[in-house]
Amino acid sequence: GQNIDQPTEMTATEGAIVQINCTYQTSGFNGLFWYQQHAGEAPTFLSYNVLDGLEEKGRFSSFLSRSKGYSYLLLKELQMKDSASYLCAVRQDSNYQLIWGAGTKLIIKP
Amino acid sequence: ETGVTQTPRHLVMGMTNKKSLKCEQHLGHNAMYWYKQSAKKPLELMFVYNFKEQTENNSVPSRFSPECPNSSHLFLHLHTLQPEDSALYLCASSQDPIGGLETQYFGPGTRLLVL
Repeated sequence: GQNIDQPTEMTATEGAIVQINCTYQTSGFNGLFWYQQHAGEAPTFLSYNVLDGLEEKGRFSSFLSRSKGYSYLLLKELQMKDSASYLCAVRQDSNYQLIWGAGTKLIIKP
Repeated sequence: ETGVTQTPRHLVMGMTNKKSLKCEQHLGHNAMYWYKQSAKKPLELMFVYNFKEQTENNSVPSRFSPECPNSSHLFLHLHTLQPEDSALYLCASSQDPIGGLETQYFGPGTRLLVL
């Protein structure tokens, strides 16, 4: 079966670092995406990994290990505006469609 | 207008009503998608259109009927819905679902409540 797991909710402090994990079991793999979704708004693209390793983009980094079926999103220097849900999605190699995790709600406290 | 727009943003309907959701993308993309998002559940892909042709229908009940008259517009016609259909309906578009990096751009969604 197809399965993507993320923690339901995490809490972190403003200025700190937080790591959001995503594990997946899919019948095929053609890349992993992270999206950010603020309450009541559209999901917006954050990062894409298709090869193993770390992709850094400003305060956000995303890591992938295909052999372990594992990814994480690392957020540094947390700001209050980072309070949102973070969605992990795997693109299938059969039909190129995305399979989504349920999202991790990140709460930032002062 | 830029990006992906959806109307209406909120909709309340009875189980016997007929309504339509509209999505428009101003990005010049070739593929459009309908997703259902329920609280604390993963996004569920409903339909995919690529160059106006439906390429995916993920076992969606016939009370949901999509229409894609051109690459920029996508509709979801609703008829005889059930309370469990209450959810956020998201539209997305992408340039090319087959080749290379495939980033989907989402609209703000229509919050649907079925009474």
